[in-house]
Amino acid sequence: AQSVSQHNHHVILSEAASLELGCNYSYGGTVNLFWYVQYPGQHLQLLLKYFSGDPLVKGIKGFEAEFIKSKFSFNLRKPSVQWSDTAEYFCAVILTSGTYKYIFGTGTRLKVLA
Amino acid sequence: DTGVSQDPRHKITKRGQNVTFRCDPISEHNRLYWYRQTLGQGPEFLTYFQNEAQLEKSRLLSDRFSAERPKGSFSTLEIQRTEQGDSAMYLCASSLALAENNEQFFGPGTRLTVL
Repeated sequence: AQSVSQHNHHVILSEAASLELGCNYSYGGTVNLFWYVQYPGQHLQLLLKYFSGDPLVKGIKGFEAEFIKSKFSFNLRKPSVQWSDTAEYFCAVILTSGTYKYIFGTGTRLKVLA
Repeated sequence: DTGVSQDPRHKITKRGQNVTFRCDPISEHNRLYWYRQTLGQGPEFLTYFQNEAQLEKSRLLSDRFSAERPKGSFSTLEIQRTEQGDSAMYLCASSLALAENNEQFFGPGTRLTVL
């Protein structure tokens, strides 16, 4: 079955540190890839998405992600985190054949220390 | 507000009771999805509609769960004879079928607590 793995469950960083969150998926076909963020008490918000073209995509708030097809990966990066980035981050995949449901990873809880 | 809305935001019920949640998608979106999120997990797909047709149901959706979208607009999710294991956040999302990347827009969720 298709799945999405986020290997970092909890990450603690100091402000200005660089961030990289891993995301790997298991599916051999064409996918659309997403990163969502959930701030405390708020609903899921889209950070960035990839569906075709340049594998390096830029999102809101200085986040970017790189799709590496050969590695089935879509890692999220930010060069310098802020305290306000404290949130839970979810990677999600949509299979472009058949259904259009999201398959989510288990999430990474990021805490940024001021 | 033109986003996805869900009602109620919180529901506390006793085991064995029935509950119903409502989702209002973004008005021009013809696809609607229900997900369930438990603590420490990502959202898990439950079911999805295109217009009024329910096109897929997850194995997570037991016989006690039923979802409807009678006029292709709002949707309801009913849980009969609730169990403590049903306690979770129930998320609704919508999307436009013709959108190239199938991006879904999420509502705030309904948090269900079964005592």
